[in-house]
Amino acid sequence: DGGITQSPKYLFRKEGQNVTLSCEQNLNHDAMYWYRQDPGQGLRLIYYSQIVNDFQKGDIAEGYSVSREKKESFPLTVTSAQKNPTAFYLCASGKAGTGYNQPQHFGDGTRLSIL
Amino acid sequence: AQSVTQLGSHVSVSEGALVLLRCNYSSSVPPYLFWYVQYPNQGLQLLLKYTSAATLVKGINGFEAEFKKSETSFHLTKPSAHMSDAAEYFCAVSFTGTASKLTFGTGTRLQVTL
Repeated sequence: DGGITQSPKYLFRKEGQNVTLSCEQNLNHDAMYWYRQDPGQGLRLIYYSQIVNDFQKGDIAEGYSVSREKKESFPLTVTSAQKNPTAFYLCASGKAGTGYNQPQHFGDGTRLSIL
Repeated sequence: AQSVTQLGSHVSVSEGALVLLRCNYSSSVPPYLFWYVQYPNQGLQLLLKYTSAATLVKGINGFEAEFKKSETSFHLTKPSAHMSDAAEYFCAVSFTGTASKLTFGTGTRLQVTL
């Protein structure tokens, strides 16, 4: 079955450490997205990519970095510059270009906590 | 700026009662609207979407929503709540020219009681 796989499900970060969250999709979607979810705040967009080797900052990109070397993969690195990284991170994919009316498909998330 | 507002962060209904979750949007251009459901520690699952075809949209699990342009609303309803409907519900909006980005409301947690 096609879908989005996020790993790991739970992740712990030490002070000053960078950690990378994995997101892989086999839906043949061009666009991929990273969201951060905090209680009571809904989902906030961190980064998005509409095509391989290209990505744009979302609303809360500071302290995060991404890469898009393959269509299927869009890893997110939470750097030590992100002072409040504890959150639930969701990856999504969807059709790009004319797909404004197309829904995004979500992975099951990674919960990141500080040690 | 375009935005979406969900009124009520928590809604509690009895099993068998009507479910009504409110969503209002602000936009100067025609919106595309979505409702998603999230169960604990899971991702979001699409319930339904409005894409300017029919104003009354039917989704999965017996949910439906009606687009009302005059009220800038897209409220989610279900005639009879079931215990399994307990979850968090998110309204989201996208617009032509925004690179397919979604703007989410802050969510409404639905509790279903016996």
